[in-house]
Amino acid sequence: RKEVEQDPGPFNVPEGATVAFNCTYSNSASQSFFWYRQDCRKEPKLLMSVYSSGNEDGRFTAQLNRASQYISLLIRDSKLSDSATYLCVVNGVIGGYNKLIFGAGTRLAVHP
Amino acid sequence: DAGVTQSPTHLIKTRGQHVTLRCSPISGHKSVSWYQQVLGQGPQFIFQYYEKEERGRGNFPDRFSARQFPNYSSELNVNALLLGDSALYLCASSFGSLSGANVLTFGAGSRLTVL
Repeated sequence: RKEVEQDPGPFNVPEGATVAFNCTYSNSASQSFFWYRQDCRKEPKLLMSVYSSGNEDGRFTAQLNRASQYISLLIRDSKLSDSATYLCVVNGVIGGYNKLIFGAGTRLAVHP
Repeated sequence: DAGVTQSPTHLIKTRGQHVTLRCSPISGHKSVSWYQQVLGQGPQFIFQYYEKEERGRGNFPDRFSARQFPNYSSELNVNALLLGDSALYLCASSFGSLSGANVLTFGAGSRLTVL
């Protein structure tokens, strides 16, 4: 089982739609959770951290479910500029050290 | 303020050659991490350095090595290149700590093509 799993998509949605992505993680001891956004052939950029109580940043809402070991990202009122790959990131242990582990990403395509 | 800078941005090598990639972290950041991203996959952890010491190594062969300099810049070296080493190599810096789970800020990457 992969440490961080995401539906690769693509999710094709019209402008103004609401879309949700889920991500599952295998390490129950994980404490740090993030969503990164990556545009085509660009570097990943932090979209938002995910807190236990859930958090919202404008049109974006992130939720954490520790019992089921998944995190979610909800995008409301989708814009064309939201088209990108969304990477789920969770901390895990690699080589005895705590590291950030990335999922393979979920592609979102917003069309007019 | 300059972000994370990487060089070169693009390079083409042939099998068996070696490559050196360079990274300068954000000013004040003491930790540098290297990730490899193959097309269609998420970034895979290669190395982290903090205060010039290695703080973790991913599941990569010994052909991959790295170091961090006193000014916190870093180099990633890959020897005996294989076709499968073709990827985007991302450097990320973070403010600090030994945690390894701090927010990462990535550079634009070095895109390596091995022919």
